[in-house]
Amino acid sequence: KQEVTQIPAALSVPEGENLVLNCSFTDSAIYNLQWFRQDPGKGLTSLLLIQSSQREQTSGRLNASLDKSSGRSTLYIAASQPGDSATYLCAVSGRSNYQLIWGAGTKLIIKP
Amino acid sequence: GAGVSQSPRYKVAKRGQDVALRCDPISGHVSLFWYQQALGQGPEFLTYFQNEAQLDKSGLPSDRFFAERPEGSVSTLKIQRTQQEDSAVYLCASSFTSGGAAETQYFGPGTRLLVL
Repeated sequence: KQEVTQIPAALSVPEGENLVLNCSFTDSAIYNLQWFRQDPGKGLTSLLLIQSSQREQTSGRLNASLDKSSGRSTLYIAASQPGDSATYLCAVSGRSNYQLIWGAGTKLIIKP
Repeated sequence: GAGVSQSPRYKVAKRGQDVALRCDPISGHVSLFWYQQALGQGPEFLTYFQNEAQLDKSGLPSDRFFAERPEGSVSTLKIQRTQQEDSAVYLCASSFTSGGAAETQYFGPGTRLLVL
């Protein structure tokens, strides 16, 4: 059974720092991996989607990498801003390529 | 509408009551998903529709949970005889076509259900 783990559960850093969020999964036979952002009282917003054949994706200050063989992904956030404060979740596609298996998330606080 | 909408946003129910949660997907989206998110946890898959067909209901936790999408657009998740362990945020998502591996799911704001 696929399990997704995110470490750390919470992270607080000063504004302007670069930071890395980690995601690991137990079964390397995935179709894709996605990183989402969740703001309190709001839905999940997809940030980056990495297909199983890809190694990384970039969007603005965000860069996500995927190493299927080791079961790991990282989300790199450059020059963090207070508006980046949110919970970040990673999800991998499960036994059916539409079914997402989620980590519990990392709650990120960027201090002004 | 511009995004996925869900109603109500908050629901308080007494244990044993039935509740119905509504999801309006993005217009034209074929696939619709329901997830349950407990406090401090990631979402867990409940069920998946392609148009009006419920193709996967393997995540529904018990036979008290029932979902439908009769006309292939709006969906309703119904929970009968609610229990305290049903308290969670229920998220709905839609995607443009078959919800395949390369397709993004767009999420609604969720319905927060509290069962007393």
